[in-house]
Amino acid sequence: EDQVTQSPEALRLQEGESSSLNCSYTVSGLRGLFWYRQDPGKGPEFLFTLYSAGEEKEKERLKATLTKKESFLHITAPKPEDSATYLCAVVPYSGGSNYKLTFGKGTLLTVNP
Amino acid sequence: NAGVMQNPRHLVRRRGQEARLRCSPMKGHSHVYWYRQLPEEGLKFMVYLQKENIIDESGMPKERFSAEFPKEGPSILRIQQVVRGDSAAYFCASSPRWEDYGYTFGSGTRLTVV
Repeated sequence: EDQVTQSPEALRLQEGESSSLNCSYTVSGLRGLFWYRQDPGKGPEFLFTLYSAGEEKEKERLKATLTKKESFLHITAPKPEDSATYLCAVVPYSGGSNYKLTFGKGTLLTVNP
Repeated sequence: NAGVMQNPRHLVRRRGQEARLRCSPMKGHSHVYWYRQLPEEGLKFMVYLQKENIIDESGMPKERFSAEFPKEGPSILRIQQVVRGDSAAYFCASSPRWEDYGYTFGSGTRLTVV
């Protein structure tokens, strides 16, 4: 069974204090790994797709990287508006279900001014 | 482009009543997915639909739950005879193709069963 584990569950940073969120995954064959951002009372907002080990994607203060077993979401010099829950999800290569996202429980990031 | 529209945003039902959740996908998106988010749990896949077809309902409880995506109108997730354990946030997502994984999610319907 596909599994996604995110750590830490919660992270509190001061504005400007860089850090990383972790997403470990177990999947028979990885078709893709996805990062989403979710604000309170809202649906997930798509951030990045990573397909192969060594791949990196960047968007403003966020940078996502991928290895064969985990992904990191690096946050450089965060601002209070980066506060949100960050979700990681995977899609397997297995035939017949390669459209199902398996999500982790998320990391709640709080950035204090 | 209005994005994925879900309504109602909040729904309160008494035990035993029916809940109907609606999802209008983004314009041009013919693939719709429903996910459920229970308190302290991650988002869980429920069902995948295309126009007039249920492609995969393996994540949906076999009893009391049903989904449809008619030729005209929104996708509907229907829960009959709701129980307290059905209380959750239900999210709908859409995509133009099944392999386009940057799904656009709606803001969800928060169902509370009292």
